[in-house]
Amino acid sequence: AQSVTQPDIHITVSEGASLELRCNYSYGATPYLFWYVQSPGQGLQLLLKYFSGDTLVQGIKGFEAEFKRSQSSFNLRKPSVHWSDAAEYFCAVVAFSGAGSYQLTFGKGTKLSVIP
Amino acid sequence: DTGVSQDPRHKITKRGQNVTFRCDPISEHNRLYWYRQTLGQGPEFLTYFQNEAQLEKSRLLSDRFSAERPKGSFSTLEIQRTEQGDSAMYLCASSHRGLSSETQYFGPGTRLLVL
Repeated sequence: AQSVTQPDIHITVSEGASLELRCNYSYGATPYLFWYVQSPGQGLQLLLKYFSGDTLVQGIKGFEAEFKRSQSSFNLRKPSVHWSDAAEYFCAVVAFSGAGSYQLTFGKGTKLSVIP
Repeated sequence: DTGVSQDPRHKITKRGQNVTFRCDPISEHNRLYWYRQTLGQGPEFLTYFQNEAQLEKSRLLSDRFSAERPKGSFSTLEIQRTEQGDSAMYLCASSHRGLSSETQYFGPGTRLLVL
């Protein structure tokens, strides 16, 4: 069965500093990978996705992520963090089912705090 | 193009009561998903609809849970005889029938508190 591990529960960075959030996945085939962001009490907003092709994908709000098959990783990065980036970030992998659904399996999330 | 909407946003109920949540997907999205998110966890899959057909249910979806999607538009999720363990955020997501059907767009969620 597929799984996603986000090793860091909570990360604190200073505004303007660079950011890297780690994500490791387990999936038998070529994965479809996603990063979502969730502000307190809100739903999830899609930041970026990887299906195939270029292993460095660009997303919204200046985020990017790099797919590394050899390391089973899909880490999220941002060169300069803004205070508004404080939120919880979830990495997810799609599992295709025989019934035709694309179930998302999520990691437990990484909470990002930003120091002014 | 409006996003996925959910109603209500918050619900407080007493143990043993029934509750019903509604999800309106993005128009022309034929795939609809329900997820549950408990504190400190990522969302977990509950059930999946393609048009009006409920094609998949998670083991998390006990007999007290039922979901419908009449006419393939909005969906409802009902919990009967609520328990304190049902307290969670219930998220709805939808995706398009076409090439990007793997990409799910989420609503704001309904936060349920069972006292």
